[in-house]
Amino acid sequence: SQTIHQWPATLVQPVGSPLSLECTVEGTSNPNLYWYRQAAGRGLQLLFYSVGIGQISSEVPQNLSASRPQDRQFILSSKKLLLSDSGFYLCAWSPGDSGANVLTFGAGSRLTVL
Amino acid sequence: GQNIDQPTEMTATEGAIVQINCTYQTSGFNGLFWYQQHAGEAPTFLSYNVLDGLEEKGRFSSFLSRSKGYSYLLLKELQMKDSASYLCAASDSNYQLIWGAGTKLIIKP
Repeated sequence: SQTIHQWPATLVQPVGSPLSLECTVEGTSNPNLYWYRQAAGRGLQLLFYSVGIGQISSEVPQNLSASRPQDRQFILSSKKLLLSDSGFYLCAWSPGDSGANVLTFGAGSRLTVL
Repeated sequence: GQNIDQPTEMTATEGAIVQINCTYQTSGFNGLFWYQQHAGEAPTFLSYNVLDGLEEKGRFSSFLSRSKGYSYLLLKELQMKDSASYLCAASDSNYQLIWGAGTKLIIKP
């Protein structure tokens, strides 16, 4: 069966510090991978998605970046965090060969920028 | 533009039935998803409709009308554990998901 791991679960970072959130998927190959952010009381905002190694599409211009160094690894980074980067970050995957994209989410990373 | 509308909050009584509505406007359409999200947790998949009609899964059912751009999630025999947010999402012509802000469902004893 497929599993998705995301870490760290929570972190508190000062403004201007770097960020690295990591996500890995097991039990499947060539998945579509996604990073979402969810602000309190708001819908999911797609930040990045990837259909393959080194292929990253950015949906929202911001100070975040994503990388996919391996087929089942997706990393969200920032060089300098802003207060507005606080939120609940969710990694997700869907089968790469399916158009009807049922997403399976990781447990999430709650980021507080102070 | 693309948009999803669903009520912000609903309250229902344990054992009762509740219907959560969702209307959507997308560029193309490739299906409508419902997810459940408990507070502080990740969303989990509940249902997917791509054709008009009702899909039933135990206590949960989901309905779709493509001509009206409308869907609803029906929860029967409500239990306290059903207290959660319910997210509606439509898949557009590029298979990208457009998400609603979610409906917070409060179940009272």
